[in-house]
Amino acid sequence: DAKTTQPPSMDCAEGRAANLPCNHSTISGNEYVYWYRQIHSQGPQYIIHGLKNNETNEMASLIITEDRKSSTLILPHATLRDTAVYYCIVRSLQGAQKLVFGQGTRLTINP
Amino acid sequence: EPEVTQTPSHQVTQMGQEVILRCVPISNHLYFYWYRQILGQKVEFLVSFYNNEISEKSEIFDDQFSVERPDGSNFTLKIRSTKLEDSAMYFCASREITGLGGYTFGSGTRLTVV
Repeated sequence: DAKTTQPPSMDCAEGRAANLPCNHSTISGNEYVYWYRQIHSQGPQYIIHGLKNNETNEMASLIITEDRKSSTLILPHATLRDTAVYYCIVRSLQGAQKLVFGQGTRLTINP
Repeated sequence: EPEVTQTPSHQVTQMGQEVILRCVPISNHLYFYWYRQILGQKVEFLVSFYNNEISEKSEIFDDQFSVERPDGSNFTLKIRSTKLEDSAMYFCASREITGLGGYTFGSGTRLTVV
C-alpha cells in the first residue's frame, strides 16, 4: 500500500475553511484516496474519497492534484465538533482492501 | 443510518484470561475487519474476514487471536490468553462487497488487561 505523509497537527479558527494536505507520491493508478477522521477515541468515520477528480459531499471537498501525488481535504466552515485526527489513506483495490492508518493530522478548531 | 454495533463498550480482564469481543456488522455488508488502537498510538489492522474465512491478517494477529462468524449477524474476536499489552481499543468495521464506499466502524471496545 502506498504511504501517505501528513502534518502532525494544524489549527483553524471556527467558521473558517480548514485545508488539510496529504502527500501520496507513490500512489499507483488504481488506488483511491480516502479520508477518515477520529473524534477522541471513537471509531474512525468515513469522510470522502476520490480517484483523480475533485469530489464534494455534505461533509467536505477533496482536491486531488493532476499528477495525483497529493491531495487536500477541505472543511468549508469548520466547527468545534470538527476537532479530530484526520487520516489520509490510499486504498488498494486488490485483496482484502484493508485500510492502513498513519499518524494523521490532529486538527484543532479554535473558538 | 446503519451502524456497526460493538459489545461490550468496556471490558476489564485478568491477564491470562480469554476474552471475546462482539460485533454486529451492517446487515448487507460482507467484508469484516478488526482493528486495534493502543492508547496514544495509531489504528492498526488486525484481520479481514470474507466468505467465512480470513482473507488477510497482520503479524499482530498471532495464534492467540481468532475470529468467527458464529451466525448470520455476529462477528467475534477472541483473545485466548490475554497479556497486558493487549490493552487497547478494538474496532470492528464492515463494508459492502462491491463499490467504493467507505468502511463503517463501530464505536469500539476498550479492553483493559490487569
